[in-house]
Amino acid sequence: DAGITQSPRHKVTETGTPVTLRCHQTENHRYMYWYRQDPGHGLRLIHYSYGVKDTDKGEVSDGYSVSRSKTEDFLLTLESATSSQTSVYFCAISGQINTIYFGEGSWLTVV
Amino acid sequence: AQRVTQPEKLLSVFKGAPVELKCNYSYSGSPELFWYVQYSRQRLQLLLRHISRESIKGFTADLNKGETSFHLKKPFAQEEDSAMYYCALSGLGNAGNMLTFGGGTRLMVKP
Repeated sequence: DAGITQSPRHKVTETGTPVTLRCHQTENHRYMYWYRQDPGHGLRLIHYSYGVKDTDKGEVSDGYSVSRSKTEDFLLTLESATSSQTSVYFCAISGQINTIYFGEGSWLTVV
Repeated sequence: AQRVTQPEKLLSVFKGAPVELKCNYSYSGSPELFWYVQYSRQRLQLLLRHISRESIKGFTADLNKGETSFHLKKPFAQEEDSAMYYCALSGLGNAGNMLTFGGGTRLMVKP
C-alpha cells in the first residue's frame, strides 16, 4: 500500500464547529485529492492540489477549504460543519499519470 | 463534461455464476477508464485499468468506444468478490489523474 495516512479516522462534531482533516503522504507525490463518499453518489472530488500552495476546487467544494504548505500534507477544513457534511472522506495521491492511491478514509459525523 | 454511470446499485448473484457490472461514460476526449474495488470499510483499491488490458482476480473489462461502455466481467463469481465496485474515468490536466466516479455497484455473492 502507498504511504498515505489520514487523521482523524473517526470524528463526531457539532454543527457550526470547524473541523480539519489531515492527509499525510510519504511518497513525495505531486498530486493530492480530497473526495467525499456518499451512498448513491460514489466519490466526488472536493478539492485537489498539484503542488505546494497550488490548489483548486473540485465538484463539491462549497463549505470546504484546503491548504498544502508541504508536499507531504494536505489539509481539508470544514469551516462551519453542517449535517450535510456527514460523510466518509478519502484522501488520494497520484504521482505518475493514471496511478492513484487512496487513504483509509475518515468517518465524520456532524450532529 | 465527463460523466460515469453505473445503472445498478446492487447486484446479487450466486457463487459460480457469471457477473457483469455495467459502466457507461460520457467524455469528449479519449478516455482512460478504471475499476476500483472497496471491501467493507476499507480503502479503495485499483482493480484494473483499460490500458493495461490485464485480468485481476479473474475480472476483465473491455473498453467499447462505440457504446461508451467499460463493463466489468467475471465468468465465475466467488464469495470473496462481495464488495463495492466503482467505475472511474480520468480527466487530464493540471490535476494529473483527477478521477470522476460512478455511483458504485454493490456486488453480493451468495453461497
